[in-house]
Amino acid sequence: GAVVSQHPSRVICKSGTSVKIECRSLDFQATTMFWYRQFPKKSLMLMATSNEGSKATYEQGVEKDKFLINHASLTLSTLTVTSAHPEDSSFYICSASRAGSNNEQFFGPGTRLTVL
Amino acid sequence: DQQVKQNSPSLSVQEGRISILNCDYTNSMFDYFLWYKKYPAEGPTFLISISSIKDKNEDGRFTVFLNKSAKHLSLHIVPSQPGDSAVYFCAATEKAAGTYKYIFGTGTRLKVLA
Repeated sequence: GAVVSQHPSRVICKSGTSVKIECRSLDFQATTMFWYRQFPKKSLMLMATSNEGSKATYEQGVEKDKFLINHASLTLSTLTVTSAHPEDSSFYICSASRAGSNNEQFFGPGTRLTVL
Repeated sequence: DQQVKQNSPSLSVQEGRISILNCDYTNSMFDYFLWYKKYPAEGPTFLISISSIKDKNEDGRFTVFLNKSAKHLSLHIVPSQPGDSAVYFCAATEKAAGTYKYIFGTGTRLKVLA
């Protein structure tokens, strides 16, 4: 149990376009979902925390208008990178936490975004 | 300000020997610590965790040690196997605060030589 999927696994887009990444909890209800970004050979940096039905809480330095997060249901959260630029190229990873899971986060496989 | 640090970016160990990965933190409010293993282009997978009320937790070949006074934790893998080759991240959280936020270290790339 506790499987988290992400779609797409890899996306290449042109500068100026928007890209949507989906994160789904397949076999449990995720009360909280998290979005991370990882630069090459760097740590996973938390971008935002979202709870179902409420606005996401963004970390300092993360532009909320740039990275739109929607957590419409207990099994789906989406991250939209708006007007993407080459500096947005990165590996984006989501995780999900369920009630009573002892704080444990279950991670998705990640999405590699390349902006040309 | 890096609140969780892994000062060794890489480590090579012979198969069968012990691998010791270290992690230091600065925030004394952290009360729950985790280790994750990550392969390239994949999400992290959970390995083992420890609460601040303990100083050791063991699960098979993996043991995590916590030294609260030194704000230091380590992951021991024994015996090390080639399949253990990956990047290992430690993470810390303030569980008592109920924030569920993890702060990750910078990772240590472990290579187990056959």
